[in-house]
Amino acid sequence: GAGVSQSPSNKVTEKGKDVELRCDPISGHTALYWYRQSLGQGLEFLIYFQGNSAPDKSGLPSDRFSAERTGGSVSTLTIQRTQQEDSAVYLCASSLRSRLAGGFHEQYFGPGTRLTVT
Amino acid sequence: AQSVTQLDSQVPVFEEAPVELRCNYSSSVSVYLFWYVQYPNQGLQLLLKYLSGSTLVESINGFEAEFNKSQTSFHLRKPSVHISDTAEYFCAVSPREAAGNKLTFGGGTRVLVKP
Repeated sequence: GAGVSQSPSNKVTEKGKDVELRCDPISGHTALYWYRQSLGQGLEFLIYFQGNSAPDKSGLPSDRFSAERTGGSVSTLTIQRTQQEDSAVYLCASSLRSRLAGGFHEQYFGPGTRLTVT
Repeated sequence: AQSVTQLDSQVPVFEEAPVELRCNYSSSVSVYLFWYVQYPNQGLQLLLKYLSGSTLVESINGFEAEFNKSQTSFHLRKPSVHISDTAEYFCAVSPREAAGNKLTFGGGTRVLVKP
């Protein structure tokens, strides 16, 4: 079946502009995660959604970053007033659900969106 | 909070030679452990995981990792590498009892297999 898809694959933007990154999870997956992969910080967690629960935003680096998930499926990560340090590959992952007592569900990663802020 | 340290950022190795990638973690709670692989121009893929039971876990392509609780390590090994193993490898942990499966990654180790 189809995997996690992300769009665009590449995005070049000018400093100060807003950008939106899109993630389509695997159908039926209720948990969705955003991570960032950058040269300076490595791979880091940003935010995760599980069903209708309040999202865990503990990894968002600043209030310029926000994300939403509509209808329990597609998610959009928005970065306002982009800065050069926001340049990174933004990865989305989904899993069947985030946690089932004592259980584990593998996260499946998308190909990422490479964001370059000039 | 958790942290993961991968001691080698790059590991060059000749084809058919063994390789070991080192991973140490720090956590105040019990964790699951993972190795992910990122092949050139591809996304992250789960290579193997330790959830419970035997401390030695294996992947389908010949990699193995051993969980050592006393040393808080989860080193990855392969006795004989192929050119196709050229990739970046990430060690990661996830708290067992937390509400989410969010992963904390190490800095990654680039493996370059030379003919």
